[in-house]
Amino acid sequence: ETGVTQTPRHLVMGMTNKKSLKCEQHLGHNAMYWYKQSAKKPLELMFVYNFKEQTENNSVPSRFSPECPNSSHLFLHLHTLQPEDSALYLCASSQVAGNRGTDTQYFGPGTRLTVL
Amino acid sequence: TQLLEQSPQFLSIQEGENLTVYCNSSSVFSSLQWYRQEPGEGPVLLVTVVTGGEVKKLKRLTFQFGDARKDSSLHITAAQPGDTGLYLCAAEMDSSYKLIFGSGTRLLVRP
Repeated sequence: ETGVTQTPRHLVMGMTNKKSLKCEQHLGHNAMYWYKQSAKKPLELMFVYNFKEQTENNSVPSRFSPECPNSSHLFLHLHTLQPEDSALYLCASSQVAGNRGTDTQYFGPGTRLTVL
Repeated sequence: TQLLEQSPQFLSIQEGENLTVYCNSSSVFSSLQWYRQEPGEGPVLLVTVVTGGEVKKLKRLTFQFGDARKDSSLHITAAQPGDTGLYLCAAEMDSSYKLIFGSGTRLLVRP
């Protein structure tokens, strides 16, 4: 238990569906992250929020829409996804994004997404 | 082109054996982290190294950061089945605070 929870743990959706992934951290951190982990590619950073402000969008397609209503919660809204978007989506949190070498990221267990 | 190359990609060994996995880049890192990820879970941080030539030990795990801060290794002594998992290195480059992950080494330790 790392203090970062994600729901749902598994999600199967069609290409025309709209769904949302939720992440919650209980660590009092100010930075939250979304990562994508595919079978054949390294873990890829998608978005970074620092004190509820988005500070990084790593060229992510607009069919992925993040939302950070407060420092403890992070959402990833999904719509009209493609089969190649099937992956493990990991959320992480840290004290403050940008503290070189001293800021540890704590990961949630991930949501395994399958797009049919 | 992958910034961080990990080798080997897969490793299957018998309990009690020693092993080393490597993380290499042509770029200089400001810091490097090693994570272990078990099935159904997110990565868990094992260690952070920040100084060239640094060696850190965590029980049977020894982590080394290259003098030029471009490479790192993880050595496990007397591997146990509980060491099974995906080992990921992640680096902060000098030009950015973002973490860049390697593709991982999947380790299986057979009883």
